Amino acid sequence: GAVVSQHPSWVICKSGTSVKIECRSLDFQATTMFWYRQFPKQSLMLMATSNEGSKATYEQGVEKDKFLINHASLTLSTLTVTSAHPEDSSFYICSAQQGARYNSPLHFGNGTRLTVT
Amino acid sequence: RKEVEQDPGPFNVPEGATVAFNCTYSNSASQSFFWYRQDCRKEPKLLMSVYSSGNEDGRFTAQLNRASQYISLLIRDSKLSDSATYLCAVNPSGGYNKLIFGAGTRLAVHP
Repeated sequence: GAVVSQHPSWVICKSGTSVKIECRSLDFQATTMFWYRQFPKQSLMLMATSNEGSKATYEQGVEKDKFLINHASLTLSTLTVTSAHPEDSSFYICSAQQGARYNSPLHFGNGTRLTVT
Repeated sequence: RKEVEQDPGPFNVPEGATVAFNCTYSNSASQSFFWYRQDCRKEPKLLMSVYSSGNEDGRFTAQLNRASQYISLLIRDSKLSDSATYLCAVNPSGGYNKLIFGAGTRLAVHP
């Protein structure tokens, strides 16, 4: 089955540093990927929609200058959390859409647990 | 009002029990609906899509009520391994497969 690989699985960083998270579709091309964030005991919150070769579309309330998204190829999207602070500590999950239809299968990465100290 | 709402639970049920979860959505134009299962500290995994006519997959039955804007998941003959958080997800727009998730309902099945 289709696999989405997310790296790293977990990361601990100091406040003020930047962290890059990678999301790769391993056996299919994904023109569209999505980035979610989940705080403990809360829902997955959509942060942004990442489209290959164009700028990401951010959800309301998500700072585009803080959460930089790059989707330079059909198999790779990256999320960079810039100048991370403890309140950015969360579970970040990407998903990749296999196909162009609205009901095309979505495949999730295994998530990245970010802890900012 | 949240776009997608679920009862957070937890639902504590014995093995073999039947349990049902509901999920309501606010956007009447929503196009597609799903149930996901999420184990602790893991990514969500697709359990089943929800079709207008209702659909069944083994012990799991999903239904959609567009008039009342809710979807449901019924689990029969609960197993210990069914213990997890169940998330409903809605595509509100019909464009990209942009899913809005509910907060999840926690199920604990005990012996």
